[in-house]
Amino acid sequence: GQQLNQSPQSMFIQEGEDVSMNCTSSSIFNTWLWYKQDPGEGPVLLIALYKAGELTSNGRLTAQFGITRKDSFLNISASIPSDVGIYFCAGHPPNSGYALNFGKGTSLLVTP
Amino acid sequence: DTGVSQDPRHKITKRGQNVTFRCDPISEHNRLYWYRQTLGQGPEFLTYFQNEAQLEKSRLLSDRFSAERPKGSFSTLEIQRTEQGDSAMYLCASSLPRRRAEAFFGQGTRLTVV
Repeated sequence: GQQLNQSPQSMFIQEGEDVSMNCTSSSIFNTWLWYKQDPGEGPVLLIALYKAGELTSNGRLTAQFGITRKDSFLNISASIPSDVGIYFCAGHPPNSGYALNFGKGTSLLVTP
Repeated sequence: DTGVSQDPRHKITKRGQNVTFRCDPISEHNRLYWYRQTLGQGPEFLTYFQNEAQLEKSRLLSDRFSAERPKGSFSTLEIQRTEQGDSAMYLCASSLPRRRAEAFFGQGTRLTVV
């Protein structure tokens, strides 16, 4: 499947700071999703985006579907220790069937 | 609990043995997916069911792998003659018919082949 590139690979921040991470692709995607995964657990869906330019919030999380349909970003405001985990972007390329393509993740560490 | 349920959570097996994993999707979800995840990587798609029909299979799904969803409810994933390279987290996900993008994952089955 098409490669999704996530950056940064890891982040180490202090509690209360805002966080921004992004995901890019060389080809367009029809949907973008953001998941969070804790160690030893399955990914948990945070936000789903369906239209280019769409901006969606879920509590302290905000995500946007890029205008070019080749990128998306996720912001976390006022981070707290339980935000620790790995954040994955995922998407459906056109004509991809039913498979979701995932990035390699951004690892977030939050210190109190 | 109405989430996706997977069993077992952990499985340790000797190389060459067969293993079978079970997934119970969210009850009203007719779409079911299997993914595999290795350390430091995102999940990789293996196969997809719509009701009992297996509609898509990845090239990752070798001949040693078989998945079934006989009654359109729970699904099983069997790996025959396991190899050390099969060691991974096997994830099941399900979604609603009109919201296929919003796949909800189970907690996964961690397989270790020794």
